[in-house]
Amino acid sequence: DTGVSQNPRHKITKRGQNVTFRCDPISEHNRLYWYRQTLGQGPEFLTYFQNEAQLEKSRLLSDRFSAERPKGSFSTLEIQRTEQGDSAMYLCASSFRGAMTDTQYFGPGTRLTVL
Amino acid sequence: DAKTTQPPSMDCAEGRAANLPCNHSTISGNEYVYWYRQIHSQGPQYIIHGLKNNETNEMASLIITEDRKSSTLILPHATLRDTAVYYCISSGDYKLSFGAGTTVTVRA
Repeated sequence: DTGVSQNPRHKITKRGQNVTFRCDPISEHNRLYWYRQTLGQGPEFLTYFQNEAQLEKSRLLSDRFSAERPKGSFSTLEIQRTEQGDSAMYLCASSFRGAMTDTQYFGPGTRLTVL
Repeated sequence: DAKTTQPPSMDCAEGRAANLPCNHSTISGNEYVYWYRQIHSQGPQYIIHGLKNNETNEMASLIITEDRKSSTLILPHATLRDTAVYYCISSGDYKLSFGAGTTVTVRA
């Protein structure tokens, strides 16, 4: 049973460049979430999908951020025109929305450094 | 915003039980209490969750007070590998609102 995987694990980019991260959820999980975590803080919710539909976006998700889950399986998070303030750990989680709770399981994260 | 309150840090001796408190006095009737932990530079790891009954799994036990306003996570025999930040979260739907958590240091 493989867990949530994220690629790349680390990304260093220059300010103004675009970056894209990928998340592969646990098989059969119908919900997928993105969070961002800065140094010394807990993760903050960014957005989530149920199947391929993006149902909620945080106000933290500026216009430079876009997330997709085209076939209800893997998801990508793109950041355009990166800024130094985008430096953070980007975490993906997945869950199965059933009758009771849907426990979220997290991936290892992608650490972004914007120079 | 986080709806729970946890002490910022605590120490625990290796081999002893670690009792981590959490206050969630504004918890709603349909909200569960979740516990996660995060070891340095890794993604959060799910530990346990509960609604109103006490729960136990291979990692920990969760004790929820009858009024549901607080809970305690118990790590029965702490090891050095249990050193991490522990997050207590109350959630009824899709969003997990993490606070600062409790930094637990297990000492030999």
